[in-house]
Amino acid sequence: KAGVTQTPRYLIKTRGQQVTLSCSPISGHRSVSWYQQTPGQGLQFLFEYFSETQRNKGNFPGRFSGRQFSNSRSEMNVSTLELGDSALYLCASSVSGRSNYGYTFGSGTRLTVV
Amino acid sequence: GQQLNQSPQSMFIQEGEDVSMNCTSSSIFNTWLWYKQDPGEGPVLLIALYKAGELTSNGRLTAQFGITRKDSFLNISASIPSDVGIYFCAGQSNQAGTALIFGKGTTLSVSS
Repeated sequence: KAGVTQTPRYLIKTRGQQVTLSCSPISGHRSVSWYQQTPGQGLQFLFEYFSETQRNKGNFPGRFSGRQFSNSRSEMNVSTLELGDSALYLCASSVSGRSNYGYTFGSGTRLTVV
Repeated sequence: GQQLNQSPQSMFIQEGEDVSMNCTSSSIFNTWLWYKQDPGEGPVLLIALYKAGELTSNGRLTAQFGITRKDSFLNISASIPSDVGIYFCAGQSNQAGTALIFGKGTTLSVSS
């Protein structure tokens, strides 16, 4: 079956701009989580959506937001980009959001802010 | 917030050697997961542990969920060149809910 698909794979944006990243989960998975990966901080949880509702949120500023559509696809948006937002953004999907059913990660979107 | 301390940070070994890495925390976790990440890709789940004391194998990989629920280790036996990559532990706790807390990773290099 198809895995988790993230688009685009690479993105270069200018400081102050905004960006939208997309994630298509595995068919049948209703939970989508987003993570930021940087060399300094490692993998950090951004937020999780389940059935179009944000169910959990990490410790990131309000410039980071997301949403989930009725087909479980999810988008995350970062407004007023800062240089420190350069990172690999990963999404993970699961059936329910509880690890008993496993989390599958996409290949990520590499965002570079210049 | 909760943290996972993963060690060692990096390892350089010869092909055929066994490898051991571990994660510890001051907090209790309900689930421990071990992932491997290759360059330019997302993490891939290797082993999932759900009960304290549980010992689970996946081929040459063996992982254990510590009795105190505050630690876990991963062993790789008879390493091969394709084992090269970054290994992450991740935990799920009542406090963090559906979020995974990740360790900083162990970078494994294997020379043939």
